[in-house]
Amino acid sequence: DTAVSQTPKYLVTQMGNDKSIKCEQNLGHDTMYWYKQDSKKFLKIMFSYNNKELIINETVPNRFSPKSPDKAHLNLHINSLELGDSAVYFCASSHQGLNNQPQHFGDGTRLSIL
Amino acid sequence: AQTVTQSQPEMSVQEAETVTLSCTYDTSESNYYLFWYKQPPSRQMILVIRQEAYKQQNATENRFSVNFQKAAKSFSLKISDSQLGDTAMYFCAFMRPGAGSYQLTFGKGTKLSVIP
Repeated sequence: DTAVSQTPKYLVTQMGNDKSIKCEQNLGHDTMYWYKQDSKKFLKIMFSYNNKELIINETVPNRFSPKSPDKAHLNLHINSLELGDSAVYFCASSHQGLNNQPQHFGDGTRLSIL
Repeated sequence: AQTVTQSQPEMSVQEAETVTLSCTYDTSESNYYLFWYKQPPSRQMILVIRQEAYKQQNATENRFSVNFQKAAKSFSLKISDSQLGDTAMYFCAFMRPGAGSYQLTFGKGTKLSVIP
């Protein structure tokens, strides 16, 4: 029944490793997002995909690569992890065109870099 | 670019009392949407209330209501009869619809503590 699900919920890894976070939504939405929440709780958009096409890339290092195999999935791959990548990453989805429909968020993935 | 400002990093309120969280934003757009999201310690992002800029009537959802002042670019959240479960971070967010995506621009949040 979960509308937007992210896996894993927690990810602890070493600096320099490559990792992925998966996101799936079962709401039939056509737009998906990745947000980063830093240690001060500030939330900022990273990427947005509409119908599997990249719409927004907000000055995110190219070590971060989103991949959307279909409209229901938007995965986030991170190469060569750095200490500053430690944060909570939220996936969200919405239906473009239904302007008054809010974005639905996943529960977040806490990424900790050792 | 739009900016959202929440000037109160932390607030506290006694249980059953009323509290108002402030939010101001900067935009040159006339059509946009505003939201309040709640993030309890469980980390979930939960929509509290939303307001369309073209609507003059302030939105209400049970104990939650907003005071939307479009000319002043102000969008405050009032929580009535505060409950312990209202303890959370509250984020004000702005969305400008248009070609492309509909990403949210967030304020830095207000940490609300409800005191028994």
